[in-house]
Amino acid sequence: SQQGEEDPQALSIQEGENATMNCSYKTSINNLQWYRQNSGRGLVHLILIRSNEREKHSGRLRVTLDTSKKSSSLLITASRAADTASYFCATDGGGSTLGRLYFGRGTQLTVWP
Amino acid sequence: NAGVTQTPKFQVLKTGQSMTLQCAQDMNHNSMYWYRQDPGMGLRLIYYSASEGTTDKGEVPNGYNVSRLNKREFSLRLESAAPSQTSVYFCASSVEGAGTEAFFGQGTRLTVV
Repeated sequence: SQQGEEDPQALSIQEGENATMNCSYKTSINNLQWYRQNSGRGLVHLILIRSNEREKHSGRLRVTLDTSKKSSSLLITASRAADTASYFCATDGGGSTLGRLYFGRGTQLTVWP
Repeated sequence: NAGVTQTPKFQVLKTGQSMTLQCAQDMNHNSMYWYRQDPGMGLRLIYYSASEGTTDKGEVPNGYNVSRLNKREFSLRLESAAPSQTSVYFCASSVEGAGTEAFFGQGTRLTVV
């Protein structure tokens, strides 16, 4: 499978704490993206990191990419109850599958007030 | 600004019935996708259309057909529904397939009894 795999499957933290989610994948990639899904809703794009980038920031989000280990991490700093959602990584493999996104199973994040 | 619109939002089918899920985007995107989301499985790509007039199979195309009617619309058809096709279906679009974020619809919850 070309899917990424997120770890942990579930994460429960208090407001104000940082949340770290990891994603591992199997094949080479053109880019890796992180998405968020609130319960019963569609996915919303958070951040995209290209294979030649190592770190990217967007507001309270920090994403790292290690292509040698085929892994990425998403850090949410100073979490809020509103961050409660499922978070998915998606890989764009390039080559013959360029443009197709393959999703992992997701991490369910719960932030308690 | 509607973004990606899916119809219907909910549907119940009997085994063997057929139906078409509709998807339209108003962002002038070239690429469109159909995914299914099952509990614990994340999102799996069913079909992908890089541009008007082209379609390609994804990870789980069996039992489905698609039509890229024009640049705006990408429909998914179940010719003979099976209980294994009970799922939440998401349509998505992106400007270009590679290296760009995908925008998702709100999903269609399909139950096959």
